[in-house]
Amino acid sequence: EIVLTQSPGTLSLSPGERATLSCRASQSVSSSYLAWYQQKPGQAPRLLIYGASSRATGIPDRFSGSGSGTDFTLTISRLEPEDFAVYYCQQYGSSPGLTFGGGTKVEIK
Amino acid sequence: QVQLVQSGAEVKKPGASVKVSCKASGYTFTSYYMHWVRQAPGQGLEWMGIINPSGGSTSYAQKFQGRVTMTRDTSTSTVYMELSSLRSEDTAVYYCARDGRALVDVWGQGTTVTVSS
Repeated sequence: EIVLTQSPGTLSLSPGERATLSCRASQSVSSSYLAWYQQKPGQAPRLLIYGASSRATGIPDRFSGSGSGTDFTLTISRLEPEDFAVYYCQQYGSSPGLTFGGGTKVEIK
Repeated sequence: QVQLVQSGAEVKKPGASVKVSCKASGYTFTSYYMHWVRQAPGQGLEWMGIINPSGGSTSYAQKFQGRVTMTRDTSTSTVYMELSSLRSEDTAVYYCARDGRALVDVWGQGTTVTVSS
């Protein structure tokens, strides 16, 4: 079973700053099957990035994903007030079906 | 637009069962698998299983084997998740989420299930 480890657990930044979130897999993951989600309090997760680097429909271009193998990164180039939330990486596989990282909270400094 | 609408909040006693529904609209129901994911208070996301609305086949996470049953009703475009032998640790928000071919692209609004004596 693949384990996804996200770091840091919490990122304290100011609006306008750059956020870099890491997701490390315990074994190699196909880039096609790596996604990132944003979740705000009381809301369902929202798909941001799929296939490691493709933005979902309607996602601003300040969000970008990169990486391959076991190391993946979500970058938010300039934080907007609405970007402060929890971010999860997710791997899609056959056993089990979906694996999520533990999440990174991006909070206002 | 594509939408998943879930049933309302539930309060159950330990040992009871709960059945959560998820009604799909805006797309061909039988063309997309559906996942169930839960989130305990203040915790991360946990995958429970998947159902193929076309044939009804299912695959469950090992943790929930024997306690979870996922079914569907094609006449109403609805999938169901039933969890039995509830315990306090099952208190969580339960989400249905559409499988958009190697990604999860649409989520329901979530159903809060509280297990308390």
